[in-house]
Amino acid sequence: EAGVVQSPRYKIIEKKQPVAFWCNPISGHNTLYWYLQNLGQGPELLIRYENEEAVDDSQLPKDRFSAERLKGVDSTLKIQPAELGDSAVYLCASSFGQGPHNEQFFGPGTRLTVL
Amino acid sequence: GENVEQHPSTLSVQEGDSAVIKCTYSDSASNYFPWYKQELGKRPQLIIDIRSNVGEKKDQRIAVTLNKTAKHFSLHITETQPEDSAVYFCAAVPGGSYIPTFGRGTSLIVHP
Repeated sequence: EAGVVQSPRYKIIEKKQPVAFWCNPISGHNTLYWYLQNLGQGPELLIRYENEEAVDDSQLPKDRFSAERLKGVDSTLKIQPAELGDSAVYLCASSFGQGPHNEQFFGPGTRLTVL
Repeated sequence: GENVEQHPSTLSVQEGDSAVIKCTYSDSASNYFPWYKQELGKRPQLIIDIRSNVGEKKDQRIAVTLNKTAKHFSLHITETQPEDSAVYFCAAVPGGSYIPTFGRGTSLIVHP
């Protein structure tokens, strides 16, 4: 069984440029999460989807960040415009079912560097 | 919101020794506590979890204990091996919430 797939794995952009990250969850997993992980810190939740509905997005900086999961499968996270402080690893995770105790499976992440 | 403190930030042990990582949480409503292992450059992976209705859980060389009164939970690794070297994250999830709050991580180094 394929795991959570993310692309690109690495992205280097200049500040003020837009950037997008893509995530394909494990087949059948209806819950999808986007996390931000700064160096030396634990992941911080940005947004959670149940199928195509964003149900936890209070920690998403909506002035520059947006996300979508139109068909309830794969998802895209966008930053426009990017700032220097956005440099981090962006992790996607998925789980089966809607309970908070369901195991989350993480993708390999996208390492973003903003110059 | 929930606040999770994790100690130590770095732990260095000799192969075969035991390692203990401790976390505290602030929200008494938290009832699920997963632990993740993240090897360098790789994705976090769940290694063990505990729910608030139990005080201890074991899986081979790994155990987790929970003290709800003190809002404290710990990861215990016995007979450490070099392949245990990684960053370990604890997390707490409040009941009714799906949002885990992670600790800052502990870098475990096991010397052969």
